[in-house]
Amino acid sequence: GAGVSQSPSNKVTEKGKDVELRCDPISGHTALYWYRQSLGQGLEFLIYFQGNSAPDKSGLPSDRFSAERTGGSVSTLTIQRTQQEDSAVYLCASSLMGQSYEQYFGPGTRLTVT
Amino acid sequence: RKEVEQDPGPFNVPEGATVAFNCTYSNSASQSFFWYRQDCRKEPKLLMSVYSSGNEDGRFTAQLNRASQYISLLIRDSKLSDSATYLCVVNRADYKLSFGAGTTVTVRA
Repeated sequence: GAGVSQSPSNKVTEKGKDVELRCDPISGHTALYWYRQSLGQGLEFLIYFQGNSAPDKSGLPSDRFSAERTGGSVSTLTIQRTQQEDSAVYLCASSLMGQSYEQYFGPGTRLTVT
Repeated sequence: RKEVEQDPGPFNVPEGATVAFNCTYSNSASQSFFWYRQDCRKEPKLLMSVYSSGNEDGRFTAQLNRASQYISLLIRDSKLSDSATYLCVVNRADYKLSFGAGTTVTVRA
């Protein structure tokens, strides 16, 4: 079956512009995670959605970052007024409820802020 | 202190060799432990869970030492295809996973 998909795969933007990253989770997976991975670093948790519950936004690094999940499926991560330090690979993962360890990752969006 | 710490390597080994590496975790309340594999410029994928008694999956053996708060991964009879970054992952008491920065293994012919 189809895995997690993300778009775009690569995004180059100028400092100060807004960007939107999209994630399509595996059908039937109620949990959705966003992570950020910088070169040589571990995955940094950003935000978690579970069903209709309020999202856990505790990992968002600043108020320039926001995310939503519509209809319990597709999610978008928005970064406003991008900064060079936002450059990273943004990974989305989904999992079945109650099985958070077996997360299935999308291929990621490589964001470069110039 | 980071929640999960790993020796970044790289571990350069010849085909057929055995390679082993550890990771340490700081939260004694951590409940579940895993190794994920990440190939260059690819997404992480679950390699195996780590059970208290230790477990094997083919050429891969994982061990957990709760007293010293470390996890290990051993790869026997290394193949070229084992070249990757291995991420140590700890599931906290909540639903979140904490990822180490990874240990890079390079298997040479």
